[in-house]
Amino acid sequence: QKEVEQNSGPLSVPEGAIASLNCTYSDRVSQSFFWYRQYSGKSPELIMSIYSNGDKEDGRFTAQLNKASQYVSLLIRDSQPSDSATYLCAVNMENAGNMLTFGGGTRLMVKP
Amino acid sequence: DAGVIQSPRHEVTEMGQEVTLRCKPISGHNSLFWYRQTMMRGLELLIYFNNNVPIDDSGMPEDRFSAKMPNASFSTLKIQPSEPRDSAVYFCASQPAGRSNQPQHFGDGTRLSIL
Repeated sequence: QKEVEQNSGPLSVPEGAIASLNCTYSDRVSQSFFWYRQYSGKSPELIMSIYSNGDKEDGRFTAQLNKASQYVSLLIRDSQPSDSATYLCAVNMENAGNMLTFGGGTRLMVKP
Repeated sequence: DAGVIQSPRHEVTEMGQEVTLRCKPISGHNSLFWYRQTMMRGLELLIYFNNNVPIDDSGMPEDRFSAKMPNASFSTLKIQPSEPRDSAVYFCASQPAGRSNQPQHFGDGTRLSIL
């Protein structure tokens, strides 16, 4: 079982819809969680970080964390074609120092 | 502020040749990470440094791979001899030391093709 799991997709949503991206992790005491966006041929770019249970909103993006269920999600409201990319979930595991464990990524396609 | 700087952006070389990838972390960041990304295996951590000291190199695939960080502003990843299966995008990332709740910041990567 992978330590950080994401559905590889592609997740296809129409323009203007809400895209929901999900991530589960195996280490119950993980403390730091990050979402990165990666356009094709580009490097991962940080878009959200979350550290405590609940929701964190930043513009059209909302990160949701549920440590009891070991689940973190990213919601993108009013999806735009420019949101089409691969979204990587990253988790800082207990006793991992500064290392992040990345999921395999979910490819999102927003159709006009 | 300058981000993480990697060079070269692209490298094409023949099997058996030595390849050296370079990275300059963000000023003030004391942790540096080397990753490799392929379609098949996704993003893999190869090695990371804290204060120029290698902390975990368990991801380095073989003895053909080596990494150094002679000072706080420079690191290299070397492959000698290179093989076609080393073809991938290699990313360098940096992070403030001792603060795991801070994100890593990635360079633009080096796209490596071994013929």
